[in-house]
Amino acid sequence: GAVVSQHPSRVICKSGTSVKIECRSLDFQATTMFWYRQFPKKSLMLMATSNEGSKATYEQGVEKDKFLINHASLTLSTLTVTSAHPEDSSFYICSASGSGRIGETQYFGPGTRLLVL
Amino acid sequence: SQQGEEDPQALSIQEGENATMNCSYKTSINNLQWYRQNSGRGLVHLILIRSNEREKHSGRLRVTLDTSKKSSSLLITASRAADTASYFCATDAEETSGSRLTFGEGTQLTVNP
Repeated sequence: GAVVSQHPSRVICKSGTSVKIECRSLDFQATTMFWYRQFPKKSLMLMATSNEGSKATYEQGVEKDKFLINHASLTLSTLTVTSAHPEDSSFYICSASGSGRIGETQYFGPGTRLLVL
Repeated sequence: SQQGEEDPQALSIQEGENATMNCSYKTSINNLQWYRQNSGRGLVHLILIRSNEREKHSGRLRVTLDTSKKSSSLLITASRAADTASYFCATDAEETSGSRLTFGEGTQLTVNP
């Protein structure tokens, strides 16, 4: 149980375009979803936390107008990288947690590798 | 802000040997978790230890937690080549809500066949 999927797994886009990444919890209700960014051989950097039906809470230094997060249902959150630039190229990973004891653990998606040309 | 720090940054051992990775943190925690990441993939949850626990086992994994020293260790016994991955500790701080985790820098483990 506790499976999280992410789509797409890999995306290449031109500079200036927007890219949407989907994160879905497949077998549990995710009351909270998290979006991380990871650079090569580095740790995960939390970008934002989103709760279903409410606005996302962004970490310091993360532009909310640049990285739009929507958590429309208990099983789906989306991250849209708007007007992407080469410096936005990175590995983006989402995670989801439920309520109760399952809420203590975050279940991670497989990640999305974004390359902006 | 809290940060998990792990050592060593990289560890290379032979199959069958034990691997020990350490993690230190700075603030009071609700729990500490260990995750594993294969190259280019998402993270897999390994084990969670709560602040009132001192040791936990899961298969070949043994985790200890010393809240007085604000440190934890992950021991993998009888390592296998398939254990090759990056291992991260993550802390759920008391001061934060919503199970927000802070990740350490990770230890890259290589198990040579």
